Amino acid sequence: GQNIDQPTEMTATEGAIVQINCTYQTSGFNGLFWYQQHAGEAPTFLSYNVLDGLEEKGRFSSFLSRSKGYSYLLLKELQMKDSASYLCAVMDSNYQLIWGAGTKLIIKP
Amino acid sequence: DVKVTQSSRYLVKRTGEKVFLECVQDMDHENMFWYRQDPGLGLRLIYFSYDVKMKEKGDIPEGYSVSREKKERFSLILESASTNQTSMYLCASSSGQGDTGELFFGEGSRLTVL
Repeated sequence: GQNIDQPTEMTATEGAIVQINCTYQTSGFNGLFWYQQHAGEAPTFLSYNVLDGLEEKGRFSSFLSRSKGYSYLLLKELQMKDSASYLCAVMDSNYQLIWGAGTKLIIKP
Repeated sequence: DVKVTQSSRYLVKRTGEKVFLECVQDMDHENMFWYRQDPGLGLRLIYFSYDVKMKEKGDIPEGYSVSREKKERFSLILESASTNQTSMYLCASSSGQGDTGELFFGEGSRLTVL
């Protein structure tokens, strides 16, 4: 079956760096997405990776290794507003999105 | 500012009632989706639509139906609500024309069935 794994919860300190991992097993691969979802709000798009390597966008970076079925989201210079859930999703060979359960990130002062 | 609007943020219904959840997008997107989000689970696709009057079943269509009479509007219908349909329902849209497939989500409708 298809599966996306990410940690349920992580805690980090304001100003620090945190890496949220995502591993996947899917039928085919047409890209990996990261979304951010604040409590009670809609998910919003953060990044899309389809080729191996690191994509940097300000304080956020996303890495992909297709051969390992692995991605991570790296958040630098953490701010309190980064407290949210981070959702990993993979687009399979049928262009359907398979979603992980999300990682709740708690930022402490 | 692009927007996906869901008609109700919070609803409380009784078992057996018919429930309508409406979603409107102003981005002229072809693709629209209905998901449900439950604690500890990834988003699960209920139905989607790639065009007006077109609908496709997702992973968990049982107990639900949809309607897409106009491009901008995608409605989710629970014909006879049951307690196991208590959930957060998220509508999303995407343009799907050679882009990354980024989804734009509505704020969600939290449904409680008593």
